[in-house]
Amino acid sequence: DVKVTQSSRYLVKRTGEKVFLECVQDMDHENMFWYRQDPGLGLRLIYFSYDVKMKEKGDIPEGYSVSREKKERFSLILESASTNQTSMYLCASSPPSGTSDEQYFGPGTRLTVT
Amino acid sequence: QKEVEQNSGPLSVPEGAIASLNCTYSDRVSQSFFWYRQYSGKSPELIMSIYSNGDKEDGRFTAQLNKASQYVSLLIRDSQPSDSATYLCAVLTYGNNRLAFGKGNQVVVIP
Repeated sequence: DVKVTQSSRYLVKRTGEKVFLECVQDMDHENMFWYRQDPGLGLRLIYFSYDVKMKEKGDIPEGYSVSREKKERFSLILESASTNQTSMYLCASSPPSGTSDEQYFGPGTRLTVT
Repeated sequence: QKEVEQNSGPLSVPEGAIASLNCTYSDRVSQSFFWYRQYSGKSPELIMSIYSNGDKEDGRFTAQLNKASQYVSLLIRDSQPSDSATYLCAVLTYGNNRLAFGKGNQVVVIP
């Protein structure tokens, strides 16, 4: 079974703090993704990565950055957390395009910025 | 037009009945189609994938794809209270490694 893990289920941070969200997958997947999910807005893609040290902006990259130093790990960084970044953050991974396109999600991190 | 639309409001079905969910998509070159189930407070879980026209059955779930009409549907037979969740439709377009998600349909199975 594919396993995607995220470093925290719940996180509370203060405005202006730098926040790191970690995601690890154990299936040797090339592709990894960060989404946020908000009521009424659905899933929105923040950043994704096709390979180590590769990154692509998604639909809402502002205020976020990412790091992928190892194939199995994809980190989302909030440089200076703001209250409008309070959300559920979901990491996902998938095999290379052309094999299976199925994305598998981690359990999510519910971030509250106060 | 939104890429993936799931227009129905919450769907209430009695236990044992069939729940039917529909999803339309705008990009004709879409190639892969997925249904995810998401329980409240949890992350999405992949339950069905379909790549070619027709029906695909897996247990009590059947996915139906019609590329000419640009829709994909999910049927849940013999609905159980444990099927109460939000169901997300997702579409992958050829040459694009990103999934486009619908906003989801909530299903409530009434015992």
